[in-house]
Amino acid sequence: DAGVTQSPTHLIKTRGQHVTLRCSPISGHKSVSWYQQVLGQGPQFIFQYYEKEERGRGNFPDRFSARQFPNYSSELNVNALLLGDSALYLCASSTYPGEGLETQYFGPGTRLLVL
Amino acid sequence: AQSVSQHNHHVILSEAASLELGCNYSYGGTVNLFWYVQYPGQHLQLLLKYFSGDPLVKGIKGFEAEFIKSKFSFNLRKPSVQWSDTAEYFCAVINYNQGGKLIFGQGTELSVKP
Repeated sequence: DAGVTQSPTHLIKTRGQHVTLRCSPISGHKSVSWYQQVLGQGPQFIFQYYEKEERGRGNFPDRFSARQFPNYSSELNVNALLLGDSALYLCASSTYPGEGLETQYFGPGTRLLVL
Repeated sequence: AQSVSQHNHHVILSEAASLELGCNYSYGGTVNLFWYVQYPGQHLQLLLKYFSGDPLVKGIKGFEAEFIKSKFSFNLRKPSVQWSDTAEYFCAVINYNQGGKLIFGQGTELSVKP
């Protein structure tokens, strides 16, 4: 079975531009989470979606938004890019986000460089 | 505030040495704990997890971790490391009060010398 897939793998943008990152979860998984990993740090939670509804949001500005589609794939959008948005963006999927039940599996990430 | 602290930023060992990586968490809800590993050039992979029951959990590649509730700890161990264990290791706790938010530690880079 295929794991979590993300596209593109690498991306270079300039300040002020907009970017869209895509994620396809493991087959049968209905929940998708997004994380930002800056070099030398652990991943930071951005969003979680389950059944197309937002379940959780981390401490990121409103420039960050996401959505989940009926096939459970997801997009992360970042507007008005800043240099500090340069990072590895990780997508994780899980079957059911219930307490005591959830295990998240990660994709390879999209490496974003903002110049 | 919820947090995860990993004591060592960089650990260097020789092959066959024993490994213990420290992890302490601060979280008041249902405690589900994870160790993930990131090998060079690869994505984050689940090493092991604790949900409930036996506090000693075994994972892949000979790793194990012990949940000690009184110490708020979830240390990772391996009796004999191999060169192929060179990677970055992340401890995480899941926060169900904010969806399924994984809170990660800052990571420990393990270098194993052949």
